[in-house]
Amino acid sequence: NAGVTQTPKFQVLKTGQSMTLQCAQDMNHNSMYWYRQDPGMGLRLIYYSASEGTTDKGEVPNGYNVSRLNKREFSLRLESAAPSQTSVYFCASSLQGMNTEAFFGQGTRLTVV
Amino acid sequence: AQSVTQLGSHVSVSEGALVLLRCNYSSSVPPYLFWYVQYPNQGLQLLLKYTTGATLVKGINGFEAEFKKSETSFHLTKPSAHMSDAAEYFCAVNSNNAGNMLTFGGGTRLMVKP
Repeated sequence: NAGVTQTPKFQVLKTGQSMTLQCAQDMNHNSMYWYRQDPGMGLRLIYYSASEGTTDKGEVPNGYNVSRLNKREFSLRLESAAPSQTSVYFCASSLQGMNTEAFFGQGTRLTVV
Repeated sequence: AQSVTQLGSHVSVSEGALVLLRCNYSSSVPPYLFWYVQYPNQGLQLLLKYTTGATLVKGINGFEAEFKKSETSFHLTKPSAHMSDAAEYFCAVNSNNAGNMLTFGGGTRLMVKP
């Protein structure tokens, strides 16, 4: 079982460049999420998609856009990268419901120079 | 609004000693509570969760946590630490007034000394 797959695993960008982080899940989950992880701050929600065709802002959405391409795929786009976006990004998915477990990808380590 | 506070960003124990990782939450409605573990260069995986019912919850790898509503706490314990327990641990909360937005604490890095 692949679970949640993220690409790429590592990326270095120059300030102002754009890129898209890809995420796909094969568990037939309705809900998908993008988090960023920074030291001492835990994981903070950037955007989430409760179901195919819907997306909502999380705690830290500025500078990001998302696309729920279909039920399996949820991408995160940085239009103009900034050094403050240097972080580890995690995609996750879950069944709908607040008591359900979220399954995480392996993460993308992004450095913006 | 909901939030999670994990006391102690780093905890060090000797192999065989008790592990206690602290988590306090704030939520105006009954919460769902989770503990996740992150091994180096990996994603998070679920250790255990509290939804309803029994307040003492058992998880994988010998960990357990107790939901104490009066103390708004959900501390994680393990009677005897193993070297393989060295990892970062995250407490998280979800509740009815936050949609499906899982809110994480800042994390606690557990170090196990031989």
